[in-house]
Amino acid sequence: GAVVSQHPSRVICKSGTSVKIECRSLDFQATTMFWYRQFPKKSLMLMATSNEGSKATYEQGVEKDKFLINHASLTLSTLTVTSAHPEDSSFYICSASDSRSYYGYTFGSGTRLTVV
Amino acid sequence: QKEVEQDPGPLSVPEGAIVSLNCTYSNSAFQYFMWYRQYSRKGPELLMYTYSSGNKEDGRFTAQVDKSSKYISLFIRDSQPSDSATYLCAMSEAAGNKLTFGGGTRVLVKP
Repeated sequence: GAVVSQHPSRVICKSGTSVKIECRSLDFQATTMFWYRQFPKKSLMLMATSNEGSKATYEQGVEKDKFLINHASLTLSTLTVTSAHPEDSSFYICSASDSRSYYGYTFGSGTRLTVV
Repeated sequence: QKEVEQDPGPLSVPEGAIVSLNCTYSNSAFQYFMWYRQYSRKGPELLMYTYSSGNKEDGRFTAQVDKSSKYISLFIRDSQPSDSATYLCAMSEAAGNKLTFGGGTRVLVKP
């Protein structure tokens, strides 16, 4: 089945630094990738939708300059949290849409970001 | 009012019982309905998907969609302790579109 690899699984960074999270589709081409944020015991909050080769579409209230999304190829999307602050600490999850099938909403294993 | 409502639980059942989960929604444009299972600190795993109204069965899982009532359900038969997780409903208006998630229901199956 479709596999999405997300890396790193856990990262701790200092306040003011930037962190990059990678999301790779391993055995399919992901025309669309989604980035979510999840707070403890809460549901997934969609941050942005990215299509290969074009700018990401951000949800209302999400700062595009803070959360930089790049989808340069059909197998890789990255989320960069710039100038991270403790309030950015959260669980970030990506998902990829398989162009071969609608039901290819495969999720990565998530990245737990802690900003100290 | 949230677009998709889901009882947060927790829902505690004895091993072997039937787990009944449901979501209600307000957007009549939703056409695709999914159920995901999420273990702690892991990404969601797709369990079931349904297009439009109807029932679908896969092993111990049965998904039902009633678009006229804007209500979807997931039933888990012969529940096992390994079924203990958070279950999320999700839906979208069209193929490939973004998903709208319910808040998730935490389920605990006790041995």
